[in-house]
Amino acid sequence: QKEVEQDPGPLSVPEGAIVSLNCTYSNSAFQYFMWYRQYSRKGPELLMYTYSSGNKEDGRFTAQVDKSSKYISLFIRDSQPSDSATYLCAMSLRSGGSNYKLTFGKGTLLTVNP
Amino acid sequence: DSGVTQTPKHLITATGQRVTLRCSPRSGDLSVYWYQQSLDQGLQFLIQYYNGEERAKGNILERFSAQQFPDLHSELNLSSLELGDSALYFCASSEDRSHTGANVLTFGAGSRLTVL
Repeated sequence: QKEVEQDPGPLSVPEGAIVSLNCTYSNSAFQYFMWYRQYSRKGPELLMYTYSSGNKEDGRFTAQVDKSSKYISLFIRDSQPSDSATYLCAMSLRSGGSNYKLTFGKGTLLTVNP
Repeated sequence: DSGVTQTPKHLITATGQRVTLRCSPRSGDLSVYWYQQSLDQGLQFLIQYYNGEERAKGNILERFSAQQFPDLHSELNLSSLELGDSALYFCASSEDRSHTGANVLTFGAGSRLTVL
């Protein structure tokens, strides 16, 4: 079983839809949870990060972490064509001393149609 | 512009050859990370340097090597190239908030390597 599982999609939605992107993980030692957005031909950019279970909101984006279920989600409200990108979840855990290991999901390709 | 600079943007070479990818981290960042991204494998961690020293190693092949120089720029050397090495190679840098584990990485735009 992979440490981090993410449905690659593709996911296609109409403009204005609510989008739900999800990742599951197997290692309960993961402590930090992040979402990166990657536009075509660009590097990933950090969208949000959370530490504990619960919700974190930033504008139209909400990140949700459920540690008991080992499940994280990213919700996008009122989706826009400019949200079309690949969304990667990422998680980190302590790998020894002061080192932390970051593991990425494979990414979900999202297209928002005008 | 993320502040992380990678060169070259595109590279086409032949099997068996050697290439060097270069990365300048964001100003003030001491850690540099190298990742390989392919369609089937996703984003795979290769290696991390912190202030000139190797800190962590991931799925880096023996044919690949990296280093970080005193001015903090880093180079990734890929040798005896194979067709399967064709991928996007990303460099990322961080402030290295290792005491918290929130590895907030800033990525460059990547170097696209095509091996023919």
